[in-house]
Amino acid sequence: SQQGEEDPQALSIQEGENATMNCSYKTSINNLQWYRQNSGRGLVHLILIRSNEREKHSGRLRVTLDTSKKSSSLLITASRAADTASYFCATAFLSGNTPLVFGKGTRLSVIA
Amino acid sequence: NAGVMQNPRHLVRRRGQEARLRCSPMKGHSHVYWYRQLPEEGLKFMVYLQKENIIDESGMPKERFSAEFPKEGPSILRIQQVVRGDSAAYFCASSGYNEQFFGPGTRLTVL
Repeated sequence: SQQGEEDPQALSIQEGENATMNCSYKTSINNLQWYRQNSGRGLVHLILIRSNEREKHSGRLRVTLDTSKKSSSLLITASRAADTASYFCATAFLSGNTPLVFGKGTRLSVIA
Repeated sequence: NAGVMQNPRHLVRRRGQEARLRCSPMKGHSHVYWYRQLPEEGLKFMVYLQKENIIDESGMPKERFSAEFPKEGPSILRIQQVVRGDSAAYFCASSGYNEQFFGPGTRLTVL
């Protein structure tokens, strides 16, 4: 069964607004990663946060991780039309080379 | 440095035929993963290989599906006697450590 569950399933916002997507998971993890997928394309790695980290930033992206609640959030600030895509969280049970378990994703639409 | 390459990008097969999907990892990467994505779904892990070895195939159906990653050449995911339910996007990822880099995927359509 899927490990991660993203919330909401779909999100539509105006350009310039912030977008927040949440991810919950069920078991202990080593790290959690966020990916973006444009329609019909491959996945692009956005950010990785380890289980001993609480927050991480990369450009307009901010990721938080709460291991006590088994949840993570991805915040995209000052969204642009080019941010329109599906966003997936993926969890890894171990460090290093290990399969990822993906959620079903959040479809973000940023309207210009 | 070329990224992960997959071919073909689109593949159409009739029921009962064989599908062969190829994946060339990034230069220097010896770990390859295959994932399947159904429409409107997330990716589901199928198999993890390291050169010439299958490390974890817990997500791969026991029948009709096989994977290999030979010493030379790309990794190959083979689906024998395809059925309509095999229609999906198949993604390959490679890694050196931790971060996985994904290819563009192969979209398999079974008629």
